Amino acid sequence: EDQVTQSPEALRLQEGESSSLNCSYTVSGLRGLFWYRQDPGKGPEFLFTLYSAGEEKEKERLKATLTKKESFLHITAPKPEDSATYLCAVPSMNRDDKIIFGKGTRLHILP
Amino acid sequence: EPEVTQTPSHQVTQMGQEVILRCVPISNHLYFYWYRQILGQKVEFLVSFYNNEISEKSEIFDDQFSVERPDGSNFTLKIRSTKLEDSAMYFCASSENSLIGYTFGSGTRLTVV
Repeated sequence: EDQVTQSPEALRLQEGESSSLNCSYTVSGLRGLFWYRQDPGKGPEFLFTLYSAGEEKEKERLKATLTKKESFLHITAPKPEDSATYLCAVPSMNRDDKIIFGKGTRLHILP
Repeated sequence: EPEVTQTPSHQVTQMGQEVILRCVPISNHLYFYWYRQILGQKVEFLVSFYNNEISEKSEIFDDQFSVERPDGSNFTLKIRSTKLEDSAMYFCASSENSLIGYTFGSGTRLTVV
């Protein structure tokens, strides 16, 4: 069964304190990995797609990286507005029309 | 920026009643999806729709659920006889193709009482 595991479940950081969120997956033949941001009561907001090991994508204070077994979302000098749940998702094995989400990491940035 | 629009934002219904959740996907997108999120749990796949038919569905998507694209712009999810456990946020999403990021709507909060 496809598995997407995110860690930590929750993370509290001081403003400006950089850190990384982890997403590990067991889908074989990975065809893409997605990162989303979700604010309370809202739908997931697309951030990045990574397609191959070694690939990196950046957006403002966020950088996503991918290896053959896991992905990291690095947050550099975060601000309170970066507080959200960050979700990782991968296409299901043999199905490109279905993505499976992890449980997410709840990130709270303290001012 | 184009967005996926969902209505209503909140719906309260009695157990056993039928509900229809509505979505307007982004106009040039070809793939459409419904996901749900029970409070405090992860976002779960329900169904994908492409070329006017269901392309994949989960075990959650039983005979009580159906989807339709009635007029080329709207995409609806119908639950025929709601149960208490159907209470959740329901998200519609669309994409240009299946291997790029989906655009999600803001969701419909369904409460079954």
